[in-house]
Amino acid sequence: EVQLVESGGGLVQPKGSLKLSCAASGFDFNSYGMSWVRQAPGKGLDLVADISSKSYNYATYYADSVKDRFTISRDDSQSMVYLQMDNLKTEDTALYYCTVATMMEGVMDAWGQGASVTVSS
Amino acid sequence: DIQMTQSPSLLSASVGDRVTINCKASQNINKYLNWYQQKLGEAPKLLIYNTNNLQTGIPSRFSGSGSGTDYTLTISSLQPEDFGTYFCFQHNSWPLTFGSGTKLEIK
Repeated sequence: EVQLVESGGGLVQPKGSLKLSCAASGFDFNSYGMSWVRQAPGKGLDLVADISSKSYNYATYYADSVKDRFTISRDDSQSMVYLQMDNLKTEDTALYYCTVATMMEGVMDAWGQGASVTVSS
Repeated sequence: DIQMTQSPSLLSASVGDRVTINCKASQNINKYLNWYQQKLGEAPKLLIYNTNNLQTGIPSRFSGSGSGTDYTLTISSLQPEDFGTYFCFQHNSWPLTFGSGTKLEIK
């Protein structure tokens, strides 16, 4: 069974930093790209960052709203994916989901329970 | 960027009703369209992928159709457990984008 477990959320002041972690299990982690999708309170879903597998040279994608502030990375030896969030803004307040497309690219079929990030002074 | 416009944003229906939710892309997405259901306090769950493929374990009352820019999720006979918010998602081209959601309420 595929499992994704996020951690590292919390309350941070504007311009602060936070690092989210996602522990993956139940699938061949090395073979799949991983994504972070966020959902602001009462709002919709936004894909904010994606990292491909080694086969695709760990290519990354960032939404314009987080480019140059967020960094996605992965540790294949530990089956972990991370989201380093710097220079946080109040509009980054959201539940951050770790997701994976195990069936085929673009079909995110497994999601974690989410990590809550609140940016407030 | 491809914009995904969902309609309606709010839908109230009765158990047993046939329900349709629409998603319109700002350009052709070649059937690379998924549907997700999200219940309050839970992560989204994949229902349909690539327009009309039912995810394993999803009841057959859910179906999807469409092509080009226009896509539809249909629930043939609404059940009480189908309440929640439904999102479409295009993975034809980056940035991959979600629709704004349709909140389905059970009368």
